[in-house]
Amino acid sequence: ETGVTQSPTHLIKTRGQQVTLRCSSQSGHNTVSWYQQALGQGPQFIFQYYREEENGRGNFPPRFSGLQFPNYSSELNVNALELDDSALYLCASSHEGLAEETQYFGPGTRLLVL
Amino acid sequence: QKEVEQDPGPLSVPEGAIVSLNCTYSNSAFQYFMWYRQYSRKGPELLMYTYSSGNKEDGRFTAQVDKSSKYISLFIRDSQPSDSATYLCAARADTNAGKSTFGDGTTLTVKP
Repeated sequence: ETGVTQSPTHLIKTRGQQVTLRCSSQSGHNTVSWYQQALGQGPQFIFQYYREEENGRGNFPPRFSGLQFPNYSSELNVNALELDDSALYLCASSHEGLAEETQYFGPGTRLLVL
Repeated sequence: QKEVEQDPGPLSVPEGAIVSLNCTYSNSAFQYFMWYRQYSRKGPELLMYTYSSGNKEDGRFTAQVDKSSKYISLFIRDSQPSDSATYLCAARADTNAGKSTFGDGTTLTVKP
């Protein structure tokens, strides 16, 4: 186990709704990255938070937003859900600043938008 | 065109076979190369990590990077049924572990 947890494990929403996904990072890690993994594809980088500030963003619209809290937890919020948002959402924690650092993934939240 | 392209598979081999998994990339700035293993309904876990060109061995696993041809490979010797999973290659340009670009994965089945 990586020490990274995510909740909920599964979620069903309807188009137009809003959703909040949660992640608890490995203790001591100051960086959390969120990825979207559609079925049959690799994870795509959504954004990263470092010390509670956004530190880079992939090719995702502003309706994808996030927060990082001092207690190593973070949130991914998605507004105005679309059918194409159905995917596995992964968070990964790491400690930025360490040489050859790697990231540790949680088990993911599987979101289905109907 | 995706920055990291991976042989799509699926791949099915008998137990004990040598497995070769391959990726190509297009971004010359990539310097760090990773292989992740993802079991069904789990998050990816890091298998191998390589900086720049060269080989790296860890038990039955060998990772190769050829930056001149922008080619990444993972070899699995004496494959086991427990190796059955999806293998993802990934690359990034700097030490920021979180901003990685992934291939779409190759699903491997090792048959007893």
